[in-house]
Amino acid sequence: QVQLVQSGPEVKKPGASVKVSCMASDYTFTNYGISWVRQAPGQGLEWMGWISPYNGNRKYAEKFQGRVTMTTDTSTSTAYMELGSLRSDDTAVYFCARTSFWGFYFEYWGQGTLVSVSS
Amino acid sequence: EIVLTQSPGTLSLSPGERATLSCRASQSVTSSFLAWYQQKPGQAPRLLLYGASTRAPAIPDRFSGSGSGTDFTLTISRLEPEDFAVYYCQQYGGSPYTFGQGTNLEIK
Repeated sequence: QVQLVQSGPEVKKPGASVKVSCMASDYTFTNYGISWVRQAPGQGLEWMGWISPYNGNRKYAEKFQGRVTMTTDTSTSTAYMELGSLRSDDTAVYFCARTSFWGFYFEYWGQGTLVSVSS
Repeated sequence: EIVLTQSPGTLSLSPGERATLSCRASQSVTSSFLAWYQQKPGQAPRLLLYGASTRAPAIPDRFSGSGSGTDFTLTISRLEPEDFAVYYCQQYGGSPYTFGQGTNLEIK
């Protein structure tokens, strides 16, 4: 069945960057967009942005514009999310999610990657 | 940005009971582009419903959704032990695609 497997936990210092990967399997990677959603400890869900592996089109939430970069590697069916200028309030679990062809809802999710930002 | 407000914050019920969860939007959600997710501790969210009322594959029919405009409801007809979790609504009618703050459905 569809799987999204994410990279392991990261610990970063304020001001650094982090890059999280998300490897997709059991579907045609270029047929569906990938969104990134984060969840701070004990908090709700926050959509960060979306990328189309088919043509590289991107849409970022305004809050993250200038700090986030989403990319894909179609040869390995892997999506990447890089977040820069990290702050302590970026500490969260970051999820990738396959985005429906029919709208921006999230059909399948990765297991999540904890990014901790601390000096 | 569309703000989604879920109520109640916590709902305490017993297995076999009916659960009704509410999601209210700060402005009308285009074409009922509203989804519901279930999240258990330490797990990723799971898609339950989209288009306000269409169940995702493999979702039991005890889960149903209704509503339009600014008011949406998720109903679980008869609670099973595995249904106790946090539930989120999400609108995808306009970017940014926002989530409600969640309803914690706990065992009474």
